[in-house]
Amino acid sequence: GQQVMQIPQYQHVQEGEDFTTYCNSSTTLSNIQWYKQRPGGHPVFLIQLVKSGEVKKQKRLTFQFGEAKKNSSLHITATQTTDVGTYFCAGLGGGSNYKLTFGKGTLLTVNP
Amino acid sequence: DTGVSQDPRHKITKRGQNVTFRCDPISEHNRLYWYRQTLGQGPEFLTYFQNEAQLEKSRLLSDRFSAERPKGSFSTLEIQRTEQGDSAMYLCASSRTMGTQYFGPGTRLTVL
Repeated sequence: GQQVMQIPQYQHVQEGEDFTTYCNSSTTLSNIQWYKQRPGGHPVFLIQLVKSGEVKKQKRLTFQFGEAKKNSSLHITATQTTDVGTYFCAGLGGGSNYKLTFGKGTLLTVNP
Repeated sequence: DTGVSQDPRHKITKRGQNVTFRCDPISEHNRLYWYRQTLGQGPEFLTYFQNEAQLEKSRLLSDRFSAERPKGSFSTLEIQRTEQGDSAMYLCASSRTMGTQYFGPGTRLTVL
């Protein structure tokens, strides 16, 4: 079945440093979604990417979808302590228009 | 609050007992999903409803698990004869057709 790999598993940064997490799918995706989960919380939707090569920005966050629609990345510029949490990518594909396959997530911690 | 709600938020039970969780989706959402999340992992898809019809069940959902959405609104997830391996966070999400999935706060199950 479809698998979504995400690296790194953990990332610890100093406040102000940049952060990137990478996501790779075993199959071509129809779209990819990113979620953030704060410690003790539930996944909160951040963004959806649909088009090949798509780049979207949300303030300090930049999301990219690869040309082959199999990989994606999330980059945070100048991290803040409020960015702490686990970032998940979730792919929609394999002929399904509803079944999300999540990566294991990247836990980001920020040292003030 | 018009988000997805789940009840209870925490459940501790003894091995062999039955438990039932409830999910109330966002009112205009016709799709409802159940996921399971264990520590250090992303949410894993369990099952999906379109209105009252259960359209897919994951292999993860053994015959001890049953889910219903009798009137196409709230849903229940029942686990019979719980095992320690069932300990996890059970997340419910809802969406419009082809829309973003919004997650509830989850029910954390601990089986002793």
